[in-house]
Amino acid sequence: GESVGLHLPTLSVQEGDNSIINCAYSNSASDYFIWYKQESGKGPQFIIDIRSNMDKRQGQRVTVLLNKTVKHLSLQIAATQPGDSAVYFCAENSGGSNYKLTFGKGTLLTVNP
Amino acid sequence: DADVTQTPRNRITKTGKRIMLECSQTKGHDRMYWYRQDPGLGLRLIYYSFDVKDINKGEISDGYSVSRQAQAKFSLSLESAIPNQTALYFCATSDPGGAQPDTQYFGPGTRLTVL
Repeated sequence: GESVGLHLPTLSVQEGDNSIINCAYSNSASDYFIWYKQESGKGPQFIIDIRSNMDKRQGQRVTVLLNKTVKHLSLQIAATQPGDSAVYFCAENSGGSNYKLTFGKGTLLTVNP
Repeated sequence: DADVTQTPRNRITKTGKRIMLECSQTKGHDRMYWYRQDPGLGLRLIYYSFDVKDINKGEISDGYSVSRQAQAKFSLSLESAIPNQTALYFCATSDPGGAQPDTQYFGPGTRLTVL
């Protein structure tokens, strides 16, 4: 999962396994959350989002779970593929029409064939 | 995202030089942002703009300036580059009136090295 240290947390999985990446967010007033995927040499790419009035949202092979009680967000990737190898990070919007997203530092996912 | 482009993609420069990084978007979004990314750290906001006449400082604006020349263009300048400005720089856009008003869409990034 995410940490505030200088070294990215890492998760290594076998191809075909499910992956779970965790994120602890900071602001209890945040009402919108996003997961981004960043491949080496590329910009962050939107994966999936969730609003605070939901606790689960599913996309194609991905599911985001939100636990507001403990301020925790997770991204589940089903049947992980080598192309899923990347840094994943969460972002939170602290509410309303506020422009600002606060980004986590990321988790490096490595998928072994 | 091909809708957000950044130039140059890579730049090596020397301390004291003036550098401009450019961002263009074809998404029609009003809001644009500049971030820097350092190894092991999250994205940090440098400047943001809600429309052509609006410019706001982010959390790390010192040593940087921006210009919003048009809705589609937002440039970042380093007036006198220093080595600790070596980083990856990302431009992003968002559409407050769209289906996902808070979502930001990123360009491919500019890798800047200051020697």
